[in-house]
Amino acid sequence: AQSVAQPEDQVNVAEGNPLTVKCTYSVSGNPYLFWYVQYPNRGLQFLLKYITGDNLVKGSYGFEAEFNKSQTSFHLKKPSALVSDSALYFCAVRPQGYYGGATNKLIFGTGTLLAVQP
Amino acid sequence: ETGVTQTPRHLVMGMTNKKSLKCEQHLGHNAMYWYKQSAKKPLELMFVYSLEERVENNSVPSRFSPECPNSSHLFLHLHTLQPEDSALYLCASSQGGTVNEQFFGPGTRLTVL
Repeated sequence: AQSVAQPEDQVNVAEGNPLTVKCTYSVSGNPYLFWYVQYPNRGLQFLLKYITGDNLVKGSYGFEAEFNKSQTSFHLKKPSALVSDSALYFCAVRPQGYYGGATNKLIFGTGTLLAVQP
Repeated sequence: ETGVTQTPRHLVMGMTNKKSLKCEQHLGHNAMYWYKQSAKKPLELMFVYSLEERVENNSVPSRFSPECPNSSHLFLHLHTLQPEDSALYLCASSQGGTVNEQFFGPGTRLTVL
């Protein structure tokens, strides 16, 4: 079955330190990969996506993610965490060719709560 | 208004009530989605509409009934819900044709008593 795994329910990091939020996937074919962030009482906001090309993708708010095909991973990273980065982060995958009509169906992980301490 | 809006933001209903959730997108997209978000679970895709036609129904109980009258509006009609249906219901839209991200609304927090 096609799936996305976020192995950590919560990640704690001190402000100013680098952060990593992990994501692995299991899909057939080449995947398209996404990261979204959700702040309290808000919907999900798009951060970045990997389609093809350079394995290191840069996104909003200083975040980046590295696609690793051999490890089937797409970890989210930031060199220096801010307290305002505290939120729920979701990894999602759209398998190549996995769509109906004009849609872009996504498979989401369970989310990782990032807590940045001042 | 810009982006994706949802109303109401909060809804409390009894199991015998009938209510509707509304979603509107101001982005000119041609696909719209309903998701259910429950704690510690992946987002559950409920319905997908592409060009106003339903293209996906992920085994959702019939007490949830979607409606997409045009490409900008999406409704979720609710009747005889169960307490386990309490969750955050998110609407999203995207532009099809290429691999585009989905844009989400703020959600409706539904509580079924």
